Formats: sequence, structure tokens, C-alpha cells
Amino acid sequence: QKEVEQDPGPLSVPEGAIVSLNCTYSNSAFQYFMWYRQYSRKGPELLMYTYSSGNKEDGRFTAQVDKSSKYISLFIRDSQPSDSATYLCAMSAILGNEKLTFGTGTRLTIIP
Amino acid sequence: DGGITQSPKYLFRKEGQNVTLSCEQNLNHDAMYWYRQDPGQGLRLIYYSQIVNDFQKGDIAEGYSVSREKKESFPLTVTSAQKNPTAFYLCASSIIGFGAGDPDTQYFGPGTRLTVL
Repeated sequence: QKEVEQDPGPLSVPEGAIVSLNCTYSNSAFQYFMWYRQYSRKGPELLMYTYSSGNKEDGRFTAQVDKSSKYISLFIRDSQPSDSATYLCAMSAILGNEKLTFGTGTRLTIIP
Repeated sequence: DGGITQSPKYLFRKEGQNVTLSCEQNLNHDAMYWYRQDPGQGLRLIYYSQIVNDFQKGDIAEGYSVSREKKESFPLTVTSAQKNPTAFYLCASSIIGFGAGDPDTQYFGPGTRLTVL
């Protein structure tokens, strides 16, 4: 079993819909959680960073962490065609450890 | 304009040849990383370095080598010993501990797509 599981999709939704992207993990030591967005043939760019459990909001994006369930989510409100990309979750256990464990990524398409 | 640059963007190699991928950052980050990305497999760590003249193997280091002679530079050599080198290679950097930005977050370059002919 992989340490981090992420549904690879592809996921297609109409423009304006709310998108929910998820990852589950098995290592209870993970405390730092990140979401990256990767456009085709580009490097990933950091979208959101959260520490421990709770929610964090940034514009149309909300990151949610539930450590008791070992489950993290990224919600995108009012989705736009420019949100079409692959979304990668990543997590680490120790501050300063710098070793991230990545999910395989979910490919998202927003249909105009 | 701060960031991470990788060159070349596309690279073609004949079987049996060594090739070197360049990665440079001007973010003053201490740590640098090399990942390989294959379809359906996510990012896999090849090597990482937290300080000049020191580096550690990641999960898939066999067939690769690195050097860290300068803080800004972390070149990756794909040797002929790497049996399946065709992939998208990503370089990243991060701060260590507390400082500007969120700790443990890595910032990525645009990638190099290597194809073995």
C-alpha cells in the first residue's frame, strides 16, 4: 500500500461547479500538507500549505485536513477553465525534514 | 526575478550515453532536490542536498549522480546505468527550518523532458 493515495481521475466538471479533490494517507506522523497544481509539461506550483488539522482558505481554494481520518481535501469554488491541470497532494512528517511524499496526482478538466 | 531554471527543456540521448541536466536557483534556498515524474506514478525522489558538498540518495538513485559545488546549482547526471531514463525530470528547492516562506514547501523548476532514442 502506498503511503499516499490519490485518485488519478481524470475528473471532468462543468465551469462554475465546485470541485473536490482528495488524498488519503497511512503515516500518522504526517503533519504538513501541501497542494500543488501542475499544468501540462510544466513544473508543479504550490497552491496551498496547511499544518495539522483544520481548514485554510485562499480565494476560491480551500484546503481541509482531517488527521483523525488521515484524509485531506482541496475544494475549488466557481471553477474556471484555467483550473484545468493535474493536482498533486504532498505531505511531510518533520519540520525541516524536507522530504515530501507525493500523491500520484488527479487530472482535472473544467468544461466551458 | 527569483526562481528555479532548468535546462535544456527537451533532451534526447542515445543509449549508452551519459547526459547532465542543469538546475540553478537564485532563491537563496539551502536545499535542492531532483525528482522523476512518470505517467501514473507521481513524483519520485532521486537525490537531495541540504548543504553544499553534501547530498543524499532518494528512493530511486540507481543510475544517477549529482554534485553540489555551489549553493545555487545542483546538476543531475543520468548515466548509461539507468535502464529506463525516458521521463520528465523536475528540480526543486526549499528553505530549511524557519525563514521566509512556509517551511518544507518546495518550489519547482519548469522541468526537462529526457527521451532516449
